[in-house]
Amino acid sequence: ILNVEQSPQSLHVQEGDSTNFTCSFPSSNFYALHWYRWETAKSPEALFVMTLNGDEKKKGRISATLNTKEGYSYLYIKGSQPEDSATYLCASPDSWGKLQFGAGTQVVVTP
Amino acid sequence: EPEVTQTPSHQVTQMGQEVILRCVPISNHLYFYWYRQILGQKVEFLVSFYNNEISEKSEIFDDQFSVERPDGSNFTLKIRSTKLEDSAMYFCASGAGTSSYNEQFFGPGTRLTVL
Repeated sequence: ILNVEQSPQSLHVQEGDSTNFTCSFPSSNFYALHWYRWETAKSPEALFVMTLNGDEKKKGRISATLNTKEGYSYLYIKGSQPEDSATYLCASPDSWGKLQFGAGTQVVVTP
Repeated sequence: EPEVTQTPSHQVTQMGQEVILRCVPISNHLYFYWYRQILGQKVEFLVSFYNNEISEKSEIFDDQFSVERPDGSNFTLKIRSTKLEDSAMYFCASGAGTSSYNEQFFGPGTRLTVL
């Protein structure tokens, strides 16, 4: 994998349901994997910076896992709420911090 | 909570004109970046800046682009002669430490429209 890819492109979730989506990234020359949450008309907001294989991080109802050997990360949202509606971006940095972004997964949570 | 700010929020310009996009990074940060997102495409890296010089730049960042940190607080992106394809949302970001391992803090973006 040369690029950062995310799937699905979008998903609709009922309030209260849990969901997850994927980020695939180049596993060679791995430094870290960044997850950002981006609400319309706002700044992208960092959720997690993950560096270790097998790492799992959690912030409230959102968690993420990392597999650096196979080059993927999952982001989970437990008990989705309307305020979770956003585009979730993952990005892989090089040694200088230049971020290569995926296209994002747009999450729409309906009441 | 400290935040990155950008001005203007929206800039409309004629093709061939110069534009300067302004950013105020978080005050104790050392690493600065510009990214852009053309509508419908991925966010893409333009340039990184550290210790008052460019540390890395993308193929997009040609001679028409320049960056400057004129006064220790502002961080600017100049496009000398805008093209239609420069229309995009431009984001400034800053980071505290060696930035592969540290989160980058993004501004809300400047939407540039080139007519």
